[in-house]
Amino acid sequence: DGGITQSPKYLFRKEGQNVTLSCEQNLNHDAMYWYRQDPGQGLRLIYYSQIVNDFQKGDIAEGYSVSREKKESFPLTVTSAQKNPTAFYLCASTLSGVDGIQPQHFGDGTRLSIL
Amino acid sequence: GESVGLHLPTLSVQEGDNSIINCAYSNSASDYFIWYKQESGKGPQFIIDIRSNMDKRQGQRVTVLLNKTVKHLSLQIAATQPGDSAVYFCAENMGYSGAGSYQLTFGKGTKLSVIP
Repeated sequence: DGGITQSPKYLFRKEGQNVTLSCEQNLNHDAMYWYRQDPGQGLRLIYYSQIVNDFQKGDIAEGYSVSREKKESFPLTVTSAQKNPTAFYLCASTLSGVDGIQPQHFGDGTRLSIL
Repeated sequence: GESVGLHLPTLSVQEGDNSIINCAYSNSASDYFIWYKQESGKGPQFIIDIRSNMDKRQGQRVTVLLNKTVKHLSLQIAATQPGDSAVYFCAENMGYSGAGSYQLTFGKGTKLSVIP
């Protein structure tokens, strides 16, 4: 059945290493988003993409990069420039263009920790 | 209500009672609001949304109330069950452009604990 799949569920990063988090959706949604969640906090937007080959910075884009080569996929790379990467990362997607604004739906997240 | 720092406000409710979770939003220009439920280790789950041209919307066992005068949003859960125990987030969007994608600003959440 349709949904948003994030992998891996847990990820460990060594100092100076880039890591990539996967997000795949089979909902035929146009827009996709990446959020970061720290303990006891709300979600903060990292990047979002409205269509293939287009993406925009959110509130906390520094130290992160994304690509959108396919409609179904929106991978997030946490680069070595991100000095505090330990967090819970959430991917979301939304249908666009139909009856105005539509709710964002989320995957089950990737928990990233520093080794 | 919303918290500061790492300590989420907690609402403890007896099973079968009604729950009311409150949220003060920040921007008077916000025109779309949404409630999510997040269980431990999982992603947020959509509960209900409301547009600014409405002041009440009902779903299954849930009702969202919007008071634009005081910038206040509430989520009411009827006949609260143990499975309702989770952290609840409100989020707002300011000025949807119609382009498809949009930004949500999230509150810090309220933890609901249901006492069996």
